Amino acid sequence: AQRVTQPEKLLSVFKGAPVELKCNYSYSGSPELFWYVQYSRQRLQLLLRHISRESIKGFTADLNKGETSFHLKKPFAQEEDSAMYYCALTNQAGTALIFGKGTTLSVSS
Amino acid sequence: DAGVTQSPTHLIKTRGQQVTLRCSPISGHKSVSWYQQVLGQGPQFIFQYYEKEERGRGNFPDRFSARQFPNYSSELNVNALLLGDSALYLCASSLGPLGGATEAFFGQGTRLTVV
Repeated sequence: AQRVTQPEKLLSVFKGAPVELKCNYSYSGSPELFWYVQYSRQRLQLLLRHISRESIKGFTADLNKGETSFHLKKPFAQEEDSAMYYCALTNQAGTALIFGKGTTLSVSS
Repeated sequence: DAGVTQSPTHLIKTRGQQVTLRCSPISGHKSVSWYQQVLGQGPQFIFQYYEKEERGRGNFPDRFSARQFPNYSSELNVNALLLGDSALYLCASSLGPLGGATEAFFGQGTRLTVV
């Protein structure tokens, strides 16, 4: 079965601290993985995808097929990073995104 | 630059009633997908339409149906509403089927409350 697990419902850190949002997946074959972010009162938007290997807003994520993980990392958190983060993968038919339950990141000063 | 637009933004319905939600994709996008997001959960896939044909269906009862029009806009219909249908309904549009560089863009959602 295709599944995405985000074990943390809430992650609270201080400004300047490192951040790691965990994501584990279950998938047969080579998955396409994404991180979506939803800031307060804004729509869900793509943060980054594993195929592009980009760093967006200082965030990076590496696909680890051995551990079936795609954790999102940032070395120094900013208050504006506070948001809901969803890990997702594309189903094998390419028709749907399968989302995790999301992790709320709260960055305080 | 108009993004994905959904209407209405909020809706209150009574159990047993029927509801229609609407979505206009980004200009040039031919694929529209619908997701249900219950409080505290991630979005759950309901339907995908591409070139006016249903290409994917999630694990939802037959009370849920959708269609895509020649201008690529879409409607989601839910019949015989249950309290458990209360959720945020998200529409996403993309150029085509997901995969590779194809990105899904989401609307603001329609908040449906069933009382």
